[in-house]
Amino acid sequence: DAMVIQNPRYQVTQFGKPVTLSCSQTLNHNVMYWYQQKSSQAPKLLFHYYDKDFNNEADTPDNFQSRRPNTSFCFLDIRSPGLGDAAMYLCATSSAGTGDTDTQYFGPGTRLTVL
Amino acid sequence: AQTVTQSQPEMSVQEAETVTLSCTYDTSESNYYLFWYKQPPSRQMILVIRQEAYKQQNATENRFSVNFQKAAKSFSLKISDSQLGDTAMYFCAFMKSNNDMRFGAGTRLTVKP
Repeated sequence: DAMVIQNPRYQVTQFGKPVTLSCSQTLNHNVMYWYQQKSSQAPKLLFHYYDKDFNNEADTPDNFQSRRPNTSFCFLDIRSPGLGDAAMYLCATSSAGTGDTDTQYFGPGTRLTVL
Repeated sequence: AQTVTQSQPEMSVQEAETVTLSCTYDTSESNYYLFWYKQPPSRQMILVIRQEAYKQQNATENRFSVNFQKAAKSFSLKISDSQLGDTAMYFCAFMKSNNDMRFGAGTRLTVKP
C-alpha cells in the first residue's frame, strides 16, 4: 500500500547534539510537510516543500532545517536540540493538481526525546 | 492570519449514540478547504472528512458528516452510531490554496461502552 513512512519512530538525543529525522513516501506526492506536535497540542507547521521549493514558516526557529533530495524523501535536521524541542514530529504529503488536491496524508510520526 | 477554534476540549458519548464536535474559523479568504482529522491514542493522524469551501453541499463519509455554514464560518462534525474505535483526538483544520494548513487545538472524544 502507498504510504508515508517515518524513521525512526522513537529518537533519543542529547541536549545540543544534532539529530536528523527522515520521511519517505510512496504516494508520489509533490508536496511534503513537517509538523511539530507537543503533548496534547495541535500540530504546528514548521515548513513544507512544494516540489523543490522550500517554504519556511515565519516563526520556525533557525535551529530547524530541512532537505528534500528527491521526490520520495524529506529530512528534518535539528542542529542543536534543546529540551523544548522534545515533541512528536509529523511528516505529511499532498498532491497539488489532482482531484485529491490538498488532502494531507500523515506518517506515524517520530517521537523525539532530548536528554 | 487564519485561526481555527475548537471550543470543546473534551467530549464523551455513549456507544451507538450521536455526537457533534464544533469548529469555527476565521478567514478573509473565499476559496479554502476544511478538514477533520482523527488521531487515536499513540496512532497515526488520519483524514476523516474534507470540505471544499465552494461546495454548498455538506460532505458525508459513512457515519461522519459535516455541517458547513460558510457565512457563519462554522464546520461541525457529526458522528452517528458512535463506536468504541471512534475514541480519539479530533482536529479541525483549515487550509488555503497555498498548502498552509492550520489546526484547531483538538477535541478529545471518548466513546463509552
